[in-house]
Amino acid sequence: KQEVTQIPAALSVPEGENLVLNCSFTDSAIYNLQWFRQDPGKGLTSLLLIQSSQREQTSGRLNASLDKSSGRSTLYIAASQPGDSATYLCAVREGDDKIIFGKGTRLHILP
Amino acid sequence: DTAVSQTPKYLVTQMGNDKSIKCEQNLGHDTMYWYKQDSKKFLKIMFSYNNKELIINETVPNRFSPKSPDKAHLNLHINSLELGDSAVYFCASSSRLAPDTQYFGPGTRLTVL
Repeated sequence: KQEVTQIPAALSVPEGENLVLNCSFTDSAIYNLQWFRQDPGKGLTSLLLIQSSQREQTSGRLNASLDKSSGRSTLYIAASQPGDSATYLCAVREGDDKIIFGKGTRLHILP
Repeated sequence: DTAVSQTPKYLVTQMGNDKSIKCEQNLGHDTMYWYKQDSKKFLKIMFSYNNKELIINETVPNRFSPKSPDKAHLNLHINSLELGDSAVYFCASSSRLAPDTQYFGPGTRLTVL
């Protein structure tokens, strides 16, 4: 049974710093992996999608990597800003269209 | 302008009641989803509808029934509400051309007293 774990559960960093969020999954037979952002009282916004055959994806200050064999993904945020404060969720999609989410990392950027 | 909308945003009700949450998308998508996010922040898929057909049901109790009157709507009906149903429910939609890009609604916070 696939399990997705995100560590740490919460993170506070000063503005301007680079940071890394971690995601691990137990079954490497995934179709793809996505990183989402969730703001309080709002839905989820997809940030980056990495197909199982890919190693990384980049969008602006965000870079997500995928190491399928070790069951790990990281989300790198460069030059963090207060507007980056949110909960970041990692989700894997399995071959039968199941999407399994981690519990998220609550990020707080200190101005 | 809202792509995926849900009503109501908050719902407080007594145990045993029957309630509905509505979801509408104006993106022309053909697949819609319902997710439940519990108090521990786990987000789990409940249902997926593709062209008005149920394609996923993640062992959700049959007190929960999705109703899709048309492609743009997927409503969630919950009968005989229980305390454990308290959660945030998210609706989402996607196009069959890009099934992995799901657009989420703002969520409905259900509190069962």
